[in-house]
Amino acid sequence: DIQMTQSPSSLSASVGDRVTITCRASQSISFYLNWYQQKPGKAPKLLIFAASSLQSGVPSRFSGGGSGTDFTLTISSLLPEDFATYYCQQSYSTPRTFGQGTKLEIK
Amino acid sequence: EVQLVESGRGLIKPGGSLRLSCAASGFIFSSAWMSWVRQAPGKGLEWIGRIKSKTDGGTTDYAAPVKGRFTISKDDSKNILYLQMNNLKIEDSAVYFCTTEGRPRYAPCHDNWGQGTLVTVSS
Repeated sequence: DIQMTQSPSSLSASVGDRVTITCRASQSISFYLNWYQQKPGKAPKLLIFAASSLQSGVPSRFSGGGSGTDFTLTISSLLPEDFATYYCQQSYSTPRTFGQGTKLEIK
Repeated sequence: EVQLVESGRGLIKPGGSLRLSCAASGFIFSSAWMSWVRQAPGKGLEWIGRIKSKTDGGTTDYAAPVKGRFTISKDDSKNILYLQMNNLKIEDSAVYFCTTEGRPRYAPCHDNWGQGTLVTVSS
């Protein structure tokens, strides 16, 4: 199975900050990397698919990059509604494994 | 608008069985690849398995912890996705989400999610 490792596991930031979350795969997954946002008590929401493609309706302050084994999710200027937990997931092969999550908290 | 509504939540004893359902609307269900993802209390997301559309073979794939115990099926005539769970273990306690697997042939992703249904396995 492909292991996905996110860093950091938690992150404190302020409204208006630029933040970057990193996801590393245990083997090359080309561009088959997705990012999800989850708020407490809610279902996850797809933000980015295929490493850098913005899902319809997702604000442009979210962006994704990378290929192969190393990927990033960047939020250019944090808004209050962005404080949530973020997960990466590889869709290169089954089982489709997720990272452990990054909890983004208000500083 | 895509809607996925799970049902079948319950408190089950270890070794018991439970079937979850996911009623789908707002898209062509027969063409869809569908998945189940779960989340144990306070933990991260865990992919359980997926079923392809009949056109693409209707085959299933499962994660190792559930393989041989869980079965995913689709009823295209009723637009319902099922998750049959047998020989349940305490570690199967989680919120179970059904999802669509969008863009399955070129950029697979979980693009629509249900609200989730809670399964608790306890003696």
